[in-house]
Amino acid sequence: KNQVEQSPQSLIILEGKNCTLQCNYTVSPFSNLRWYKQDTGRGPVSLTIMTFSENTKSNGRYTATLDADTKQSSLHITASQLSDSASYICVVSAAAGNKLTFGGGTRVLVKP
Amino acid sequence: NAGVTQTPKFQVLKTGQSMTLQCAQDMNHNSMYWYRQDPGMGLRLIYYSASEGTTDKGEVPNGYNVSRLNKREFSLRLESAAPSQTSVYFCASSEASSGANVLTFGAGSRLTVL
Repeated sequence: KNQVEQSPQSLIILEGKNCTLQCNYTVSPFSNLRWYKQDTGRGPVSLTIMTFSENTKSNGRYTATLDADTKQSSLHITASQLSDSASYICVVSAAAGNKLTFGGGTRVLVKP
Repeated sequence: NAGVTQTPKFQVLKTGQSMTLQCAQDMNHNSMYWYRQDPGMGLRLIYYSASEGTTDKGEVPNGYNVSRLNKREFSLRLESAAPSQTSVYFCASSEASSGANVLTFGAGSRLTVL
């Protein structure tokens, strides 16, 4: 069964600090992996999308990495801001059937 | 640019009542989706429409029906609401149903069934 597991479930960081979120998946065959940001009371918004051949992709202060061999991805937030407080969702697409599998998300709270 | 618009944002129903969630997109996307999001769980696909005139079941279709009214609009209907359908519902759209396409989500509709 295709699964996407995210850790930690939640974390609190101080403004200006860095943090790293983890995503492990068992989706096969792999097509691509996306990270979405979901603000409270809003729908998810795409941050990055990575294919099999991509190891790193950045979007401003967000940097995603992908290790397709170990089936792991991480999302690194640099110099966190209060506006980074949100849930971050890892989504993996299977090459067969175009099916998306969503992780449960990591809730990040940035405190001043 | 409105993107994906869902109505209503909030709704409270009694068990057995029916209702329809409306969704419209203005990006000329071909594919539209309905997901539900429950605490601690990933979004789960209820139904999707790969293109105008087609609809298909997703992971959790029981208790729901959908209508792709035209290219812009995709509605989700609960014929006889149950407490297990208490959730936040998201409509999304993409250019095509290929897994490479990025989804654009609406703001969500929070439904409580008593």
